[in-house]
Amino acid sequence: GAGVSQSPSNKVTEKGKDVELRCDPISGHTALYWYRQSLGQGLEFLIYFQGNSAPDKSGLPSDRFSAERTGGSVSTLTIQRTQQEDSAVYLCASSPGRIGTGELFFGEGSRLTVL
Amino acid sequence: GDSVTQMEGPVTLSEEAFLTINCTYTATGYPSLFWYVQYPGEGLQLLLKATKADDKGSNKGFEATYRKETTSFHLEKGSVQVSDSAVYFCALSDLSNFGNEKLTFGTGTRLTIIP
Repeated sequence: GAGVSQSPSNKVTEKGKDVELRCDPISGHTALYWYRQSLGQGLEFLIYFQGNSAPDKSGLPSDRFSAERTGGSVSTLTIQRTQQEDSAVYLCASSPGRIGTGELFFGEGSRLTVL
Repeated sequence: GDSVTQMEGPVTLSEEAFLTINCTYTATGYPSLFWYVQYPGEGLQLLLKATKADDKGSNKGFEATYRKETTSFHLEKGSVQVSDSAVYFCALSDLSNFGNEKLTFGTGTRLTIIP
């Protein structure tokens, strides 16, 4: 499809396990963002990629969280030693990367449940 | 830091009622302002935006005016429909930060329209 694709759509894991969430942005979009949507807390910015580099990682909540992007396309968000407070919907968005539009294109998210 | 405060939900209205969802912001500099909408089972999508003071964004019968004097960007629609049922997010972005269109979101307002 032409939109932002995320997988898995749902993930249930046990506390202490590592998880990987994948994002496939719109083809040609150079900018990629990860957000976290927790119940009652809105959307929280995690990290921004321009190409393969991440000039803004200011939102990553702890060193258990990391992300990478390869080939200027697919990105993976990794959460190590998951905790129950990591339960949330993780949203990926992409944009063309040109200044001035402010329009991000979002995927449907990956719902993570940590038991 | 930048922040967005929006009306607590949920909001329930009858079809053809007038809608207002309040949004105020705090920001350094001169942000651009946005309303995003999340329909059931779909990713967030841009509804409308305004990039400078006194600008009015509009789309699908929704309107919002960038009011610098009151730091507000309230969303309005004159006659809502059942299909408008969704979660609405107010957001801001400093588009002068080249390429990084990181959005700061409010907590979202769930709107339900009953026939």
